[in-house]
Amino acid sequence: GENVEQHPSTLSVQEGDSAVIKCTYSDSASNYFPWYKQELGKGPQLIIDIRSNVGEKKDQRIAVTLNKTAKHFSLHITETQPEDSAVYFCAARNSGYSTLTFGKGTMLLVSP
Amino acid sequence: DSGVTQTPKHLITATGQRVTLRCSPRSGDLSVYWYQQSLDQGLQFLIQYYNGEERAKGNILERFSAQQFPDLHSELNLSSLELGDSALYFCASSVSVQGPSDTQYFGPGTRLTVL
Repeated sequence: GENVEQHPSTLSVQEGDSAVIKCTYSDSASNYFPWYKQELGKGPQLIIDIRSNVGEKKDQRIAVTLNKTAKHFSLHITETQPEDSAVYFCAARNSGYSTLTFGKGTMLLVSP
Repeated sequence: DSGVTQTPKHLITATGQRVTLRCSPRSGDLSVYWYQQSLDQGLQFLIQYYNGEERAKGNILERFSAQQFPDLHSELNLSSLELGDSALYFCASSVSVQGPSDTQYFGPGTRLTVL
């Protein structure tokens, strides 16, 4: 089955800096890669996703890049703000299935 | 607010007991997914239903079962509870299971504590 590795497990940055979280996946048939943000006491919230027919997608301060050859994808957050502090999860889905396999999560702390 | 609702928000029970967690998907969503989140295992997929039928199974224990009703709400039943079942249980829903309408939206979760 699919295996998703996520790094780093924790990331501390200063407000205004950029943050990058990286994930690798094992199943070359995976074609959908969402990112979720989970704040304390809440459920995961989709923040951006990318499908295998594109290499990059941006939404304001958030961008995701996908390298299918290397089987890795990354989340980039620019101009970080304290409210970006949360746990971020990457996930991957095989085209033949509808279920997501999640990474272990990255705790992002943005200090003012 | 994702539009997915889960009840109860918190549940405290004893070992050996049985509990039922309830999920109402977003309006129009046909597929429901259940996940377990513990500190050391992250988000683990348990089971998926689509329009009332079981669609996929993940790491779900035999003591656990689920169903999706005609009105599309779903229930996750956990029986013979053990201390290790203490976790957050999330429900997610999507319109369909493939293609652009397969985005999963998560509910706020149920925190289960087994004493």
